[in-house]
Amino acid sequence: KAGVTQTPRYLIKTRGQQVTLSCSPISGHRSVSWYQQTPGQGLQFLFEYFSETQRNKGNFPGRFSGRQFSNSRSEMNVSTLELGDSALYLCASSSSTGDGKYFGPGTRLTVT
Amino acid sequence: GENVEQHPSTLSVQEGDSAVIKCTYSDSASNYFPWYKQELGKRPQLIIDIRSNVGEKKDQRIAVTLNKTAKHFSLHITETQPEDSAVYFCAASNSGYALNFGKGTSLLVTP
Repeated sequence: KAGVTQTPRYLIKTRGQQVTLSCSPISGHRSVSWYQQTPGQGLQFLFEYFSETQRNKGNFPGRFSGRQFSNSRSEMNVSTLELGDSALYLCASSSSTGDGKYFGPGTRLTVT
Repeated sequence: GENVEQHPSTLSVQEGDSAVIKCTYSDSASNYFPWYKQELGKRPQLIIDIRSNVGEKKDQRIAVTLNKTAKHFSLHITETQPEDSAVYFCAASNSGYALNFGKGTSLLVTP
């Protein structure tokens, strides 16, 4: 099976802009979750989707949003970018139970 | 919310020795505990996981133990090899939807 894929792999944006990141889960996986990884805060949960519904959300401002499509692919959007949003954004897919989350390679976002 | 503490933050061992990484969690409802290995510039890779109805799980040189009463779980790597060098993250979840991660342990195995 192909693994989790994410596009783009690298992104440079300016403060105030918005960005959309994409994630394609492992075939058959219907749960997709998103995490932010930074050196200071480590890995932090953003949100999780299953069958196009958001089941859980982390403690991030409303500028961070996401969605899932009927084919289980997911996107996350960050509006009004801030310097502190610079991070590696990882998505993970799993089966319906949520166990066994497999991560994608991540999107490295740099905000200047 | 759930708080996961991980120790030590760095660990250096000689090749062939064992390495132990410990984590504690705060939410007694947590029931799923995975461990991830992340090499430099790579994605986190699931190496082993355990559910709260199991006390110990082993996979070749890797084992995880769970003490629900004390709310802590540990990763044990035996016969360490240089390729085991990486950052290891523990995580806890009470729903399966969200993983709450520890801050990571940087393991260095020297030949």
